[in-house]
Parts: sequence; structure tokens; C-alpha cells
Amino acid sequence: NAGVTQTPKFQVLKTGQSMTLQCAQDMNHNSMYWYRQDPGMGLRLIYYSASEGTTDKGEVPNGYNVSRLNKREFSLRLESAAPSQTSVYFCASSWDRWTTNYGYTFGSGTRLTVV
Amino acid sequence: KNEVEQSPQNLTAQEGEFITINCSYSVGISALHWLQQHPGGGIVSLFMLSSGKKKHGRLIATINIQEKHSSLHITASHPRDSAVYICAAPGSGSARQLTFGSGTQLTVLP
Repeated sequence: NAGVTQTPKFQVLKTGQSMTLQCAQDMNHNSMYWYRQDPGMGLRLIYYSASEGTTDKGEVPNGYNVSRLNKREFSLRLESAAPSQTSVYFCASSWDRWTTNYGYTFGSGTRLTVV
Repeated sequence: KNEVEQSPQNLTAQEGEFITINCSYSVGISALHWLQQHPGGGIVSLFMLSSGKKKHGRLIATINIQEKHSSLHITASHPRDSAVYICAAPGSGSARQLTFGSGTQLTVLP
């Protein structure tokens, strides 16, 4: 089925370890996003990519890096994981960054625990 | 940044009841999003509306741009409607990224 595919679904890291969350969409969307979701808080934007080859910081970018590998793929990297990065991470995509006219499609999420 | 507030935070209803979830935002927008997050965690886009009302099955979304307020209604609620419902509004400025409310946890009892 068409949509957004995220891997892995679950991950446990030790403090200081690194990892990359993968995201791919097959809807030919231009814009892609990484969010984190913490209890009691709304989804918060980490980074986004308005188009292939561009990336921009969102509300909570510290401790993360991203790569827009091609139009389909947008990865999120934690270079040195910290317990504060324990969260559920969602990748999403849309036709463009001007959100007013286009809906979002979300991946199924990655539950990350940093111990 | 657009401040998005939802109410109530938690809602428990009996099967068949009419449900209303409210969303208010601080900055004028041209469209607002309603999303549903399943118990398993997946997020689905329900509505995107810029004026008036939209309906999909038993779900109805309304928006009043002047009052900066939107409501999501569920008619004849069913246990399978149990989920977190999230509203989101574009922020101001050139990026206009979505700001999400913290969600309303709906539980429908049989």
C-alpha cells in the first residue's frame, strides 16, 4: 500500500550510542518531516525538508541531524543518544510545505528508549 | 507560533452518544487539520478544512475562522472510535509548519 514507511518500530539505546531512523514515502510528495511525540505534549517538529536537497530546523532540532537522500527518503540521526531523547518519533510527508491545502501522511512511528 | 488548545483532554462516553471535541488557535489561519491517533500509535489525517463544515461518515468537522475555533463531532459513537484526536494549525511566518494540540483521549464504552 502507498504510504510512509518507518524503520525500526522499536529501539533501545544506551546513552551515547548513535542510530539512524529511516523513512521512505512512495507518494511522490515533495515535503517530509520528522516529529517527536512526548506524553502530554503535542507533536513537535524536529526537522523538515521542503524538497529534495533542502533541510531546515524545526522547533526541537538539538541533538539530531537529518539527510534527505532523495525525493523518497528522509533519515533522522541521533549522534549521541541522551535519555531526554526517549520519545516516539514520527515521519510524515505532504505535497509541499505550505500546509494549508494538502494533508499529511504519517508513518507508523518509532518508539525509542534511551537508557 | 500558533498556540493550539484542545478540550477536553480526556473524554469518556457511552456507545451511541454524540461527541464534541473543541480546538482553538491563536493565529489566523487558512486551514486546520484534524487527525486521529489509533491505540496502536498510528496517525491518520481525518479532515483539512478552511471554512464551514466537512463530513465523513459519522465524523463532522466545523470551523469558525473569525472566532479561531474548530469542533470535531462524532455521531452515534462506537467503541472503535476510541482514539486520540488531534487538531493542528499552520503557524505564522514563512515556514508555516503545523503546530499540534496535545490531543483529546476519547474512550467509548460499550
